[in-house]
Amino acid sequence: ILNVEQSPQSLHVQEGDSTNFTCSFPSSNFYALHWYRWETAKSPEALFVMTLNGDEKKKGRISATLNTKEGYSYLYIKGSQPEDSATYLCAKYNFNKFYFGSGTKLNVKP
Amino acid sequence: DAGVIQSPRHEVTEMGQEVTLRCKPISGHNSLFWYRQTMMRGLELLIYFNNNVPIDDSGMPEDRFSAKMPNASFSTLKIQPSEPRDSAVYFCASSFLAGVTGELFFGEGSRLTVL
Repeated sequence: ILNVEQSPQSLHVQEGDSTNFTCSFPSSNFYALHWYRWETAKSPEALFVMTLNGDEKKKGRISATLNTKEGYSYLYIKGSQPEDSATYLCAKYNFNKFYFGSGTKLNVKP
Repeated sequence: DAGVIQSPRHEVTEMGQEVTLRCKPISGHNSLFWYRQTMMRGLELLIYFNNNVPIDDSGMPEDRFSAKMPNASFSTLKIQPSEPRDSAVYFCASSFLAGVTGELFFGEGSRLTVL
């Protein structure tokens, strides 16, 4: 069993706040780390795929960093908007399998 | 491309009945995954196929569950007989795993309720 852990489990912020959450994973046998955004009543959609230690990726107000040596990735949202409300999942990719964390549920209040 | 297509979107059935969930992956993708989402366990991998061949079915709960992929454009997940604890949302996802950069593309899920 490969444990991918995400924290916090849930987060409530005000519109305009910046926020971040963590994905922790075993650093051994690292191939890739994926972030997905999952809106209620929809299906998960890929945000980032990260492969190299020190990788930083950005898409609009959302960015992510990766530390493969210590086994963690951070997802940042700058100036949160109500439409950012969703569950954010990370998944470690190993040997053709994706190991998902349980997600961080973000609620952005207007 | 229409994306990953799953059917049915919703199914309500009675305990003991057979349930068949269907998935059409994105054309050109060579890997297909079946996941189950529950409140308790989040997204659980049930089985995945690579080039239509089942690679790892260790996540399939028990013999009541079976999955097939007869060709590159179609897969089924069957539960026989179904039980109330099988109630969940079942997601199919496909990917072109060219190295490590293949992201997963999910279908919209099939919500199963077993009474």
